[in-house]
Amino acid sequence: GAGVSQSPSNKVTEKGKDVELRCDPISGHTALYWYRQSLGQGLEFLIYFQGNSAPDKSGLPSDRFSAERTGGSVSTLTIQRTQQEDSAVYLCASSLGLWGTEAFFGQGTRLTVV
Amino acid sequence: GESVGLHLPTLSVQEGDNSIINCAYSNSASDYFIWYKQESGKGPQFIIDIRSNMDKRQGQRVTVLLNKTVKHLSLQIAATQPGDSAVYFCAETETSYDKVIFGPGTSLSVIP
Repeated sequence: GAGVSQSPSNKVTEKGKDVELRCDPISGHTALYWYRQSLGQGLEFLIYFQGNSAPDKSGLPSDRFSAERTGGSVSTLTIQRTQQEDSAVYLCASSLGLWGTEAFFGQGTRLTVV
Repeated sequence: GESVGLHLPTLSVQEGDNSIINCAYSNSASDYFIWYKQESGKGPQFIIDIRSNMDKRQGQRVTVLLNKTVKHLSLQIAATQPGDSAVYFCAETETSYDKVIFGPGTSLSVIP
């Protein structure tokens, strides 16, 4: 596609439910990043993929968070047993290689846990 | 942990004036810096980047200055326009290490 696509754009879920967030990177981009942005805050690094492997998972806030990437393309971020503090905008970015090359962000998924 | 911070959380400028947004970084090993612009409801958009072997880089109406001695980064926007109103983030990384650290952001408001 022309850019990084994320779905859904908005998600409202009940506390305790599981959610899956999807990211379609730009075709051919090998690196994919997930960030979380709370209201009025900066970007919090969650995880990144180089191909299908995730060398750095240190940013995942808890074991309720997991992410995978298949075929070197689409990535899903899964949050189990959602809590209200998980409410945020989840942003995905992709780049052709390492972040030394320009990275492009999607529009984000706004998650609201009620 | 390592962090990047901004001196001014909000900045208001008159249309046509120049804007300067400042950023301090703490990781002396960072060698690649990026500025992003985020408009309401959208993802961050790349503006300009600079590597540590440079101290200045110019784009269209934007200039990034890097002072490695004091670990300071700035973004200058010439002839600021209403469309420049957004939150601006600086970010840093070591090119040998993929985690990019973002600052908290500065909200730029342009007064017509």
